[in-house]
Amino acid sequence: EAGVAQSPRYKIIEKRQSVAFWCNPISGHATLYWYQQILGQGPKLLIQFQNNGVVDDSQLPKDRFSAERLKGVDSTLKIQPAKLEDSAVYLCASSSDPGSYNEQFFGPGTRLTVL
Amino acid sequence: AQSVTQLGSHVSVSEGALVLLRCNYSSSVPPYLFWYVQYPNQGLQLLLKYTTGATLVKGINGFEAEFKKSETSFHLTKPSAHMSDAAEYFCAVSLFSNSGYALNFGKGTSLLVTP
Repeated sequence: EAGVAQSPRYKIIEKRQSVAFWCNPISGHATLYWYQQILGQGPKLLIQFQNNGVVDDSQLPKDRFSAERLKGVDSTLKIQPAKLEDSAVYLCASSSDPGSYNEQFFGPGTRLTVL
Repeated sequence: AQSVTQLGSHVSVSEGALVLLRCNYSSSVPPYLFWYVQYPNQGLQLLLKYTTGATLVKGINGFEAEFKKSETSFHLTKPSAHMSDAAEYFCAVSLFSNSGYALNFGKGTSLLVTP
């Protein structure tokens, strides 16, 4: 079974530029998550999709971050404009359902550096 | 709100020694608890999880954790450390959000294994 795919693996941009990350979840997984992991901290949930609908985006900085999951499969996360504090690893995860103890499978992440 | 605290951001053990990584939780309801491992430049991988039932949970790679309600703890142990165990370890609690469940992670503990 193929895992969660993410691209690019690394990205370096200057502040105020825009950037987009892509995620392809495990086939058949209805729930998709985007996490932000700042150096030295645990992952923090940004947004959760169930199929192609958003079920929780309460921690997403909506003035600069946006995400979509067209057709309920792959997803993109965009930052526009980027700030220095957005430097982090962005992790995508998927699960077969959003149950309380359903395992989430994580991709390798995209490491973003904002200069 | 449910949260976890990991005691010790860095733990160093000798190869063959006992591994003990500490995690305490805060929850007003019976929690679902998880341990994830993150190897360098990789995503998170589930080691084990506690939902209900037996309080001693066995996971992959020889790790286990015991849920102790009286101590609000879920410490991770392994009898004998191996060099390949060097990684970042995250404790997490299942957090009920607006429309489902997400994971609330601790800040992580970096495990160093010395020869």
